[in-house]
Amino acid sequence: QSALTQPASVSGSPGQSITISCTGTSSDVGGYNYVSWYQQHPGKAPKLMIYEVSNRPSGVSNRFSGSKSGNTASLSISGLQAEDEADYYCSSYTSSSFYVFGTGTKVTVL
Amino acid sequence: QVQLVESGGGLVKPGGSLRLSCAASGFTFSDYYMSWIRQAPGKGLEWVSYISSSGSTRNYADSVKGRFTISRDNARNSLNLQVSSLRAEDTAVYYCAREGYGFGGMDVWGQGTTVTVSS
Repeated sequence: QSALTQPASVSGSPGQSITISCTGTSSDVGGYNYVSWYQQHPGKAPKLMIYEVSNRPSGVSNRFSGSKSGNTASLSISGLQAEDEADYYCSSYTSSSFYVFGTGTKVTVL
Repeated sequence: QVQLVESGGGLVKPGGSLRLSCAASGFTFSDYYMSWIRQAPGKGLEWVSYISSSGSTRNYADSVKGRFTISRDNARNSLNLQVSSLRAEDTAVYYCAREGYGFGGMDVWGQGTTVTVSS
């Protein structure tokens, strides 16, 4: 049950766009369209930002978008804002019928 | 409003046990799969267990299999996690979450309950 691989940190200036990658295997990310992304501010519970690779729940800004190519999923944030500074985690359902989370990425708004 | 509230955390000695609970409100609890996820201090998220809407299907992370038991009471809108044979590495905030999009995403999370395993 190895965690999905994410960059430890990504940064950008206000208004810029950033992308966070999430690399797994054909048994998880590559094998299912069950990739989700979560935002977590310090001391808070995670919040769902993207479900099923590219869908946004109601209430989530359209500045957030998701995609997948092969065994790698990506979360993009456009028009970066100070409130986007947080930790982000990807997750995928797996062929072993459980979930695996990514290692987490700290997004810093410069 | 849709809400999950965890309880039952605390300080426990290695080898001890606790029963964590998650009270659901604002939605039809029996329609949804539910999961437990934990986060050790300063670390990332780790999926622990899920249970199907009827309770007939359960699965566990290898790190907790044989020590933790997930259950639910749909009449009481309650999700539970019995944690036993606790180890220092089980110290974490434990969150319950609703699998609102099947296996595609967990859309409602509780605020978490803290389990500390220490002698």
